[in-house]
Amino acid sequence: EDQVTQSPEALRLQEGESSSLNCSYTVSGLRGLFWYRQDPGKGPEFLFTLYSAGEEKEKERLKATLTKKESFLHITAPKPEDSATYLCAVQANSGGYQKVTFGIGTKLQVIP
Amino acid sequence: NAGVTQTPKFQVLKTGQSMTLQCAQDMNHEYMSWYRQDPGMGLRLIHYSVGAGITDQGEVPNGYNVSRSTTEDFPLRLLSAAPSQTSVYFCASSYKRTGGEQYFGPGTRLTVT
Repeated sequence: EDQVTQSPEALRLQEGESSSLNCSYTVSGLRGLFWYRQDPGKGPEFLFTLYSAGEEKEKERLKATLTKKESFLHITAPKPEDSATYLCAVQANSGGYQKVTFGIGTKLQVIP
Repeated sequence: NAGVTQTPKFQVLKTGQSMTLQCAQDMNHEYMSWYRQDPGMGLRLIHYSVGAGITDQGEVPNGYNVSRSTTEDFPLRLLSAAPSQTSVYFCASSYKRTGGEQYFGPGTRLTVT
């Protein structure tokens, strides 16, 4: 069974204080690993897809990296508008429709 | 493009009532899915569709029904609401080629009393 574990559950940062969110996963044949951002009361918003170990993707202050067992979402010099819950998900190569398994998320709060 | 739209945004039902949550997308996506999100749990797949006329069960399908008569629409029916179905429901769509890159609707918050 595919599993996704995110840590920490919650993270509080001062504005400008860089940090990383972790996503550990087990999957039988990784098709893709995804990061989403979810603001309160809204649906998740797609951020990145990573396909293979060593791959990196960047968007503004966010950088996602992937190894064979985990992914990190690095946040450089965060701003209050980066406050949100960040979700990690994996998709396995299981043939046909490839089910996506989501983690519970890391709730990030950036204090001015 | 409106993206993925869902109605209603909020709904309160009594136990045993039935209702339909509406979902529509205007991106010509092949895949559409329904998820529920509960505190302390990740998004869980209820039902999904890989194209018009084709639907299948996800992880938590009991008590729900779906149909997909057009590419654009994917309604979710609650047959006889139960308090355990109190949750936030999200509809999502994606291209077949990039199935995990999903576009989500704004959600429906459902309370069953």
